[in-house]
Amino acid sequence: GAVVSQHPSWVICKSGTSVKIECRSLDFQATTMFWYRQFPKQSLMLMATSNEGSKATYEQGVEKDKFLINHASLTLSTLTVTSAHPEDSSFYICSARDTGTRTKEEQFFGPGTRLTVL
Amino acid sequence: DAKTTQPPSMDCAEGRAANLPCNHSTISGNEYVYWYRQIHSQGPQYIIHGLKNNETNEMASLIITEDRKSSTLILPHATLRDTAVYYCIVRVNFGNEKLTFGTGTRLTIIP
Repeated sequence: GAVVSQHPSWVICKSGTSVKIECRSLDFQATTMFWYRQFPKQSLMLMATSNEGSKATYEQGVEKDKFLINHASLTLSTLTVTSAHPEDSSFYICSARDTGTRTKEEQFFGPGTRLTVL
Repeated sequence: DAKTTQPPSMDCAEGRAANLPCNHSTISGNEYVYWYRQIHSQGPQYIIHGLKNNETNEMASLIITEDRKSSTLILPHATLRDTAVYYCIVRVNFGNEKLTFGTGTRLTIIP
């Protein structure tokens, strides 16, 4: 199957700082990537849909000015958590859709990034 | 997307078949049934999907009832590495590409 990577795999930062998380599709092009957040013992919640070359579409209740998404190329999307606070501590997961749809599952998930804000 | 209902947890003995049920009584005619699983602290992994026919791949089998209101994911010979949360999701296969995750079933394989 296709591979999606995330960097970093974990990060600890101080409250008030910004953190950037990268999501890369390694062996396929992805015009669409998705960003999810998962709190402990809870399910994945979709935060936003990232489209290459255009603005991201945010889910209801997700602050677009706090969670900045950039999808500048067909293999890279970034999520920047601005002015992070302890309540932003979570497991952030991206997924990418294979533009060529050569596989049935369509979306491939990254391994996740665990963010801890002190 | 239609909602799904899954049991919160299940146990299965190692080497036996694990049968995970999912109810999706409000599924629409153009919605597929997808199964993903998430091993602890990892990203979800695609398992299988289907529309109305039963499907089988190297990981699992998917049995969909004739009225499509429920389905069962079968792991034929469960191993300890199959311990994970299994998510049943229904969605159209075009247009709206979102995957809406429910609470899933936490499957524990017992040695």
